[in-house]
Amino acid sequence: GAVVSQHPSWVICKSGTSVKIECRSLDFQATTMFWYRQFPKQSLMLMATSNEGSKATYEQGVEKDKFLINHASLTLSTLTVTSAHPEDSSFYICSASNPGRFSYEQYFGPGTRLTVT
Amino acid sequence: GENVEQHPSTLSVQEGDSAVIKCTYSDSASNYFPWYKQELGKGPQLIIDIRSNVGEKKDQRIAVTLNKTAKHFSLHITETQPEDSAVYFCAASKGGGSYIPTFGRGTSLIVHP
Repeated sequence: GAVVSQHPSWVICKSGTSVKIECRSLDFQATTMFWYRQFPKQSLMLMATSNEGSKATYEQGVEKDKFLINHASLTLSTLTVTSAHPEDSSFYICSASNPGRFSYEQYFGPGTRLTVT
Repeated sequence: GENVEQHPSTLSVQEGDSAVIKCTYSDSASNYFPWYKQELGKGPQLIIDIRSNVGEKKDQRIAVTLNKTAKHFSLHITETQPEDSAVYFCAASKGGGSYIPTFGRGTSLIVHP
């Protein structure tokens, strides 16, 4: 159990366009989802935390108008990168948790490689 | 806030040897310490975790130890295999409603056949 999927696994887009990444918990209800960004050979950087039905809480330095997060249901969260620029190219990873079921554990998706040209 | 230091950044071993990765944390209120394995181009996978009320936990070839007094915890992999090659991240978090983990910088483990 505890499987998290992401779609797409990779995407190439042109500068100025928007890209939406989906994160789904396949076999459990995710009361909280997290979005991370990871640069090559670096650790995970938390971008935002979202609870189902609530507005996302963004980490300091993350532009909420650029990285739109929606957690509309207990199994789906989306991250939309608006007006993408080459510096937004990165590996985006989501994770999901359900403290009532899994206590402290987070389960990560496989990641989405975004390349902005 | 919490600060997690992880060492070494790179670890190279021969197949069959043991590997040890160490982490220290700064916030004595942290009480949950997971370890993740990340293969190239994939998301992190939880491999083992430990809570502050336990000093050691083992799962087959993998074990984690925790020293709350010294605020450090370690991952031990015995009888390493080439498929253990990956980047390993430690993390620390506080339980309850604020369980967002702080990650270490990662250790690239290379197991030579």
